[in-house]
Amino acid sequence: NAGVTQTPKFRVLKTGQSMTLLCAQDMNHEYMYWYRQDPGMGLRLIHYSVGEGTTAKGEVPDGYNVSRLKKQNFLLGLESAAPSQTSVYFCASSRLQAANYGYTFGSGTRLTVV
Amino acid sequence: AQSVTQLGSHVSVSEGALVLLRCNYSSSVPPYLFWYVQYPNQGLQLLLKYTTGATLVKGINGFEAEFKKSETSFHLTKPSAHMSDAAEYFCAVSQNTGFQKLVFGTGTRLLVSP
Repeated sequence: NAGVTQTPKFRVLKTGQSMTLLCAQDMNHEYMYWYRQDPGMGLRLIHYSVGEGTTAKGEVPDGYNVSRLKKQNFLLGLESAAPSQTSVYFCASSRLQAANYGYTFGSGTRLTVV
Repeated sequence: AQSVTQLGSHVSVSEGALVLLRCNYSSSVPPYLFWYVQYPNQGLQLLLKYTTGATLVKGINGFEAEFKKSETSFHLTKPSAHMSDAAEYFCAVSQNTGFQKLVFGTGTRLLVSP
């Protein structure tokens, strides 16, 4: 059972380039989330999804777009990367009653924008 | 709105000493509370959670936490630190109704010296 898988694990982008981060879960979870982790700031929610075909903004959505065309996948896109988007990105998923069961996290994508 | 404050971005202990990581929360509704651990270059994994019932919660690896409503606290403790406990620890809160989105603290890095 793989849980939550993120690809790629590392990436270096030039300013202005675009890329897509893929998150896949095999636990049939309804909810999926994208967080970014920066030193001293903990985890901040970028976007989330409460089901296939739905997305919603989190705390820091600017500069990112997401899509959830299939229940098991949640894609995070950067249309025009900026150095401020250098971060570690985590995907997570949860059941409907997220608080009772907690989240399952992927191992992260380390993105550097130069 | 809910929030979490973790006192101390770094905590240093000697191997065998008591571990105490502090977490205070703010919530207008009864909260669910969580502690997650992140080992280097890995995702977050659930240590323990409080939802309802007993206020002293035991988790993995010998950790426990006590929910104190009067103090709005959920401090994490372990009687005797081990070198393998060195990691970053995150406290998180969610509401117990509606969309149970987790809000994370900024994290505390635990350093364990021989």
